[in-house]
Amino acid sequence: QVQLQESGPGLVKPSETLSLICTVSGGSVSRGSYYWSWIRQPPGKGLEWIGNIYDRGGTSYNPSLKSRVTVSVDTSKNQFSLKLSSVTAADTAVYYCARDYGSGWYYLDYWGQGTLVTVSS
Amino acid sequence: DIQMTQSPSSLSASVGDRVTITCRASQSISSYLSWYLQQPGKAPKLLIYAASSLQSGVPSRFSGSGSGTDFTLTINSLQPEDFATYYCQQSYSTPRTFGQGTKLEIK
Repeated sequence: QVQLQESGPGLVKPSETLSLICTVSGGSVSRGSYYWSWIRQPPGKGLEWIGNIYDRGGTSYNPSLKSRVTVSVDTSKNQFSLKLSSVTAADTAVYYCARDYGSGWYYLDYWGQGTLVTVSS
Repeated sequence: DIQMTQSPSSLSASVGDRVTITCRASQSISSYLSWYLQQPGKAPKLLIYAASSLQSGVPSRFSGSGSGTDFTLTINSLQPEDFATYYCQQSYSTPRTFGQGTKLEIK
């Protein structure tokens, strides 16, 4: 059974960089056919896709965030990470990591529980 | 970006009812459409992928249909745990966009 777990600071100051890690168990981030994704959800609002990475390091980002986002993978630790720079209050959200099944059809079949990140001084 | 529009935004129903939620894409997405259920305070859960394929472990009362730009999620014989928010998502192109959600409430 694949499990994902987000970790990182719950409070980030405006203009600083938000950094989160997703630890994967029960599966390998270096196995083909999967993308590893980040999605966020502002309080009381809908879901926004941030971006993803696949095992050979290729990335895809939401253009609305592209200038501030970096997703990377650490195969030795079976983790992938999210960095979002120059944050503002609008970046306050629950951040989810998820596995994106990428062979033929693409869908988010396993999700982390989510972690709330608040941007405030 | 491909825009995904769900209707209705909210819906009231009773246990045992049959309900249908629709999702419309701003351009053709073939069958690259997934449906997710989100209960309060929890992560979304995959229900349907490729527009009509039931994810393993999901009850058969859930079904999906459609292709191109118009899609539906149908829930037969609603159960108490089905009252939640539902999202569609297209995976035809990036960015992978979601619908705004449909909140299903108990009547």
